[in-house]
Parts: sequence; structure tokens; C-alpha cells
Amino acid sequence: AQTVTQSQPEMSVQEAETVTLSCTYDTSESDYYLFWYKQPPSRQMILVIRQEAYKQQNATENRFSVNFQKAAKSFSLKISDSQLGDAAMYFCAYRSGADSGYALNFGKGTSLLVTP
Amino acid sequence: EAQVTQNPRYLITVTGKKLTVTCSQNMNHEYMSWYRQDPGLGLRQIYYSMNVEVTDKGDVPEGYKVSRKEKRNFPLILESPSPNQTSLYFCASSFLGSRGSQPQHFGDGTRLSIL
Repeated sequence: AQTVTQSQPEMSVQEAETVTLSCTYDTSESDYYLFWYKQPPSRQMILVIRQEAYKQQNATENRFSVNFQKAAKSFSLKISDSQLGDAAMYFCAYRSGADSGYALNFGKGTSLLVTP
Repeated sequence: EAQVTQNPRYLITVTGKKLTVTCSQNMNHEYMSWYRQDPGLGLRQIYYSMNVEVTDKGDVPEGYKVSRKEKRNFPLILESPSPNQTSLYFCASSFLGSRGSQPQHFGDGTRLSIL
């Protein structure tokens, strides 16, 4: 299975500021998909954003954007204008386009604290 | 409302007592999957199903069984639960299209404690 690494177990950001969460992955495939999921204290897994590996343009969803560096195998998440409701565990996930199981391979997560 | 429904949300039980966690989705998704989440390990896939009567093992299938008799349902069965299966479990589903591009929709999770 492909390895997904989130090197920041915890991050902190002040309300209205910008924070970037890091994610790197290890793969030899060219066809794959990357996702960021948010898990608030309610434990739900909520899709934040996704990126297709064949697309060079970085995905954006409102205040959330990614910096996808395919050659470096890096997929960071930028949260702009942080809000208290953004406090959660964030998981980076990789999904193979070739693996018949289509499993999501998750990183271990980054806990984001948002301070007033 | 499109959703993945898991039951129960919480369960405390004892070693060896068979249990089933149900999962149902109303989005007509072909693909369904079970994950377990443990502290410091993220989520790991237990079993998945590409369609009715088609199931296969994920990364951590030992001690679990699944079935897919209907498209909407994908129960997780622990025939003889053990304490190392104490975990938070998630069911997820998605369409199969475009070779894995479709995002998976998750249920709200089931917290299992095996004493």
C-alpha cells in the first residue's frame, strides 16, 4: 500500500489567519487521486477537497486550497481566514486509480487547533 | 438526504460474543468499504465490496467478515470479538466511476469496546 505521511501531529492557528498542513506520499503510479478529510470532535469524516493527479491546476474549495507538487509527491492543504469551526483532525488520503480495491490510504492525521 | 447510516453508534460487549455492525447507504453506490480508526494509526481498510456479492480483503481483515447481499447494505461481522478489535469503525461508500476518483462518503462511526 502507498505510504501517506503527515509530519505535523499538531498545528495551531489564530482565527482569521492562514495555516498550511503538510502531506507527502510515496507512489510509483501515475494515476491516482488525493483527498483531504476533516474529522471534527463529532468524529464524522467530512471531505474537504480532492485533487486528480493528472490535473496540474491546484484544487480550491472556498477557503481551502491545495498545493499539489506531483514531482515532489507533496499535497499540502492551505486554510485561509481560519475559523473556530475549522478546529478538527485533518487526514490526507491517497487513492490509487489502478488498485482494484480503491482503498483510501490515510495519513495519521494533523490535529488543528484554532485560537480566538 | 444522501447518507451512510451505521448502527449501533456505540457498543460495549464481551470477548467471544458475536456482533454485527450494520451499514446502509441510500445513494445507489456500487462501492462500499469498512475502515477502523485507531489512535496514531489513522484509518485502515478492513474489507471492501465493488458490487453485490463481490467482496475482498483490505489491509486488516483478520477477525472480520462481511457480506453484500443487497446493494445498499454492507454489514461487518465480528464472529468472536477480541479486545484488540476495540476501535472506531467507519463504513464508507462511493460510485466506482473514473478509476477511484469518486470521493467516499462516510457514516458517523461506530465505537466498539470489547472487554
